Amino acid sequence: EVQLVESGGGLVQPGRSLRLSCAASGFTFDDYAMHWVRQAPGKGLEWVSGISWNSGSTGYADSVKGRFTISRDNAKNSLYLQMNSLRAEDTALYYCAKDTSSGSLLDWGQGTLVTVSS
Amino acid sequence: QSALTQPASVSGSPGQSITISCTGTSSDVGGYNYVSWYQQHPGKAPKLMIYDVSKRPSGVSNRFSGSKSGNTASLTISGLQAEDEADYYCSSYTSSSTWVFGGGTKLTVL
Repeated sequence: EVQLVESGGGLVQPGRSLRLSCAASGFTFDDYAMHWVRQAPGKGLEWVSGISWNSGSTGYADSVKGRFTISRDNAKNSLYLQMNSLRAEDTALYYCAKDTSSGSLLDWGQGTLVTVSS
Repeated sequence: QSALTQPASVSGSPGQSITISCTGTSSDVGGYNYVSWYQQHPGKAPKLMIYDVSKRPSGVSNRFSGSKSGNTASLTISGLQAEDEADYYCSSYTSSSTWVFGGGTKLTVL
């Protein structure tokens, strides 16, 4: 059974940093691209970032480009999102998701909540 | 990276069929056959219902179908059931090698 467990969320002041982690199990992690998707309270889904199976390719939404960095450690079956210069508008539930093919996300974690507030 | 355009809400009675549209541009929906649809119930993670425009993952009811014409993709749910009431999101690959979601559509089963 595929399991994706996010961690690292919390309350952080504007301008500070936070690192999210996603622990994967139940599948061959280094066979799949991975993504981060967020959802602000009461709002819709927003794709944040994606990374290929071998970290050779990464992509970011314009709203986070230059501030967020996605990475993965295939030896540890883990996905990360380094978030710098956080803003109030980054407040959201952050989901880790497994790319089955062409960006279709079959498996999702339960999310980790990031709140940016002073 | 503008969000894809979906109607804010649609509704239908049990047994009826409804269609949710998802409009983009030639740089996303119209340019690639990489459109997915997700169902999200309150407080739950999204669930993949359709991928690659019209393919259904294993376990998804065949009452759900997808299609695309030009820059607009569509999700059709036939034989509407109470448990179909949820939020639905489309997503597409883009020419910038990124992905974009639609704003979401709230489906109400009357």
